[in-house]
Order: sequence, then C-alpha cells, then structure tokens
Amino acid sequence: KAGVTQTPRYLIKTRGQQVTLSCSPISGHRSVSWYQQTPGQGLQFLFEYFSETQRNKGNFPGRFSGRQFSNSRSEMNVSTLELGDSALYLCASSLGGPGGTEAFFGQGTRLTVV
Amino acid sequence: GQQVMQIPQYQHVQEGEDFTTYCNSSTTLSNIQWYKQRPGGHPVFLIQLVKSGEVKKQKRLTFQFGEAKKNSSLHITATQTTDVGTYFCAGPGGNKLVFGAGTILRVKS
Repeated sequence: KAGVTQTPRYLIKTRGQQVTLSCSPISGHRSVSWYQQTPGQGLQFLFEYFSETQRNKGNFPGRFSGRQFSNSRSEMNVSTLELGDSALYLCASSLGGPGGTEAFFGQGTRLTVV
Repeated sequence: GQQVMQIPQYQHVQEGEDFTTYCNSSTTLSNIQWYKQRPGGHPVFLIQLVKSGEVKKQKRLTFQFGEAKKNSSLHITATQTTDVGTYFCAGPGGNKLVFGAGTILRVKS
C-alpha cells in the first residue's frame, strides 16, 4: 500500500510569508499528527487530527494551524514566517491514534525561511 | 506534562562494538515504541513493547521494557555501518506520541 505522502518536499519562503504543507495518510488511517524537527530540539509535537477534529495541540504559537479533510488528508499552515520556523516538518499517520499503534511517517517537508 | 528523556545524546563507536541507548519516562507508559531515522530520512518504526519486563529481539537489536513501565533500552550488538542514524523512543501521552530527544549513533569502520 502507498505510504504517507507529504508535499512539497522542499520549500523556501521569505520572512513574513505564509506556507501550507500537505499530508496524505495511508489509506484507512484516520489519525494524522504533525511534528517539527530541528537539529537541537528533536521531534516537537504540533497537533493531531482524527476524523477532522483536532484532538491535541502542542506548545506552538497560534501562527501554526492545521486542519483535516473528510478523506483524512491534512494540511498545516504557518503564517507570518520567522527564521526560526526553518525545520523539517513531518506528518505521521496511524490507524486509531498515536501511541496505540505504529506511526508511519512521511518523508517530510524541508522548510527554509530566509 | 509527560516527559521522555533519552541518553546518551550522541555516541560514536567503532564498528563491531556494542551500543545502548536508554529511555526514561516521567510517567508510567502503556507501551513504548522505538524508531530509527537514517541521516536525511524520516523516522521508521522498529518495535513496540507493551508488557512489564518485556524483552524483544530483532537480529542484533535487543529491546527491553522496564518492570515499572517507565524505562526502556535498545541494545545493538556488534554495530555495523548500516546502524548509523538517530534512535528515538516514544511513549503515548494523551492523543499524541511523546518522543525522546533521540540518540545519534555514528559508527567508525
């Protein structure tokens, strides 16, 4: 079966702009989680969606938002980009929810803010 | 909130030497998962441990879950260059997986 697909793979944006990242989970998976990965901070949890509802949110500012569609595809949006937002953004899908079963990660979107 | 601590942060070993990474949670876990991320790649699931005191093996990798279900370890016997990468432990915390900071393994050949 197809894996988790994230688009785009690479992105360069200017400070102050906004960006939308997309994640298509494995077919049948209803939970999608988003993580920010930076060299010094590891995997930081952004939010988790299940059946179009945000069930949990990490400690990120309101500039970071997301949503999930009825087909379980998810998007995350970052507005008013800052240099510190440069990171690898990973999404992970799972069957029933994170922690209960294996999480499958996409290849990530590498965002560079200049 | 729940925290998952992982040590060491970094380890550089000679090929053929053993390697161990340790994971400690601030709370009791229903299960613990381990992931491996190759350089330039994304985390890939290795295993899930559920039972207190559980030990599982995958070839040269041995995973343990502590009796109190608050700590875990991953041991690699006779490391190879293919073992390089970052190893993460993760535990469930509400509707999210809480990851340790990871241990970066480098192997000198």
